[in-house]
Amino acid sequence: EIVLTQSPATLSLSPGERVTLSCRASQRVSSFLAWYQQKPGQAPRLVIYDASNRAAGIPARFSGSGSGTDFTLTISSLEPEDFAVYYCQQRSNWITFGQGTRLEIK
Amino acid sequence: QVQLQESGPGLVKPSGTLSLTCAVSGGSISISYWWSWVRQPPGKGLEWIGEIYHSGTTNYNPSLRNRVTILVDTSKKQFSLKLKSVTAADTAVYYCARARPYCRNAVCSGGPIDFWGQGTLVTVSS
Repeated sequence: EIVLTQSPATLSLSPGERVTLSCRASQRVSSFLAWYQQKPGQAPRLVIYDASNRAAGIPARFSGSGSGTDFTLTISSLEPEDFAVYYCQQRSNWITFGQGTRLEIK
Repeated sequence: QVQLQESGPGLVKPSGTLSLTCAVSGGSISISYWWSWVRQPPGKGLEWIGEIYHSGTTNYNPSLRNRVTILVDTSKKQFSLKLKSVTAADTAVYYCARARPYCRNAVCSGGPIDFWGQGTLVTVSS
């Protein structure tokens, strides 16, 4: 099983700041690495797929990068609506998710 | 735009069987997507349960494989989840979802999940 470890668990930042979230895999993963945003009481929303492609309707301030075992999600300038929990996801023989990073307003 | 809607009992007794159905609207169920179930215990992270293709091919999370059955009914445009021998640890919000195909070495399965249902809370309690 490929384990995804996200860091940090929680980030406290202010609107306008730049943030980079990390997702590290226990083994090399394929190009399929996705990121999701989840707000309280809502279903997750696809943000990035194939490590670096923005999903439909996702603003350009979101970007993803990485390969092998290390991946990042960057938000260039935080907007108030970006504060949420972010999960990374991979697929080897089955799908696993990271434990999530909570992005909260400072 | 595809819409997914979960339905089923919100309360299941311990040792019983959890049964949910997901209705697909706004698009065909018989296309190259994988229809998935994901759950989220209260206050915790996401756990993938399994997926099904319109042909009936399934993939399951190994940790749940011996208790899970996912079926598809293309004529009704719906797919279902059965989880047997439930305990309190199975209490969660259950989401049905659509995953894009992901192919590697000529083998395809579910990839990024681009549409989700709103989720339904299932509580296991006597």
